[in-house]
Amino acid sequence: EAQVTQNPRYLITVTGKKLTVTCSQNMNHEYMSWYRQDPGLGLRQIYYSMNVEVTDKGDVPEGYKVSRKEKRNFPLILESPSPNQTSLYFCASSLSTGLGETQYFGPGTRLLVL
Amino acid sequence: GENVEQHPSTLSVQEGDSAVIKCTYSDSASNYFPWYKQELGKRPQLIIDIRSNVGEKKDQRIAVTLNKTAKHFSLHITETQPEDSAVYFCAASTSNYQLIWGAGTKLIIKP
Repeated sequence: EAQVTQNPRYLITVTGKKLTVTCSQNMNHEYMSWYRQDPGLGLRQIYYSMNVEVTDKGDVPEGYKVSRKEKRNFPLILESPSPNQTSLYFCASSLSTGLGETQYFGPGTRLLVL
Repeated sequence: GENVEQHPSTLSVQEGDSAVIKCTYSDSASNYFPWYKQELGKRPQLIIDIRSNVGEKKDQRIAVTLNKTAKHFSLHITETQPEDSAVYFCAASTSNYQLIWGAGTKLIIKP
């Protein structure tokens, strides 16, 4: 089944404790992206990647890191999480560079930073 | 920077009536405008999209219209049904391969 998966789905952590949220797609998509969703603010892009070893900052990259060593995986790393990073995170992928292509979203990861 | 404004933030309509959600964008280079639907507790999913060379697109009960001169586009849902209840997001493309998203509209269908 074609899909985007994320793990974990729910995470409670404490300020400063490094964490990684994994994202994987099995559709051979070139474009992958991370969003955070907050009430009243919609979806805001954190980072995106147009292909392996190519990553770019989105609108809210501060406090986050990503890597794209393999086409299928695009992990999101919070080196030192803070309470303002409490949010719902979505990974998404699309076939090519994103414009005009359907973005397929993962199920979301709900993060609480205490 | 580029932004997309979406209105209203909440829309309540009687079942069977029509619903219209409007978005305006700031980047005149935007040329792709998708609409996503997010049901409660689920992921956003594409429901319809339009490119700048087209003024209107329809798919059964949903349609999107685009006015490039005024830089706004709208989602129209006719004969609304309970399963249309969700949050709807509009988005507009940018020249650097991003989508800028509206803040979302919560659509409530009253029985």
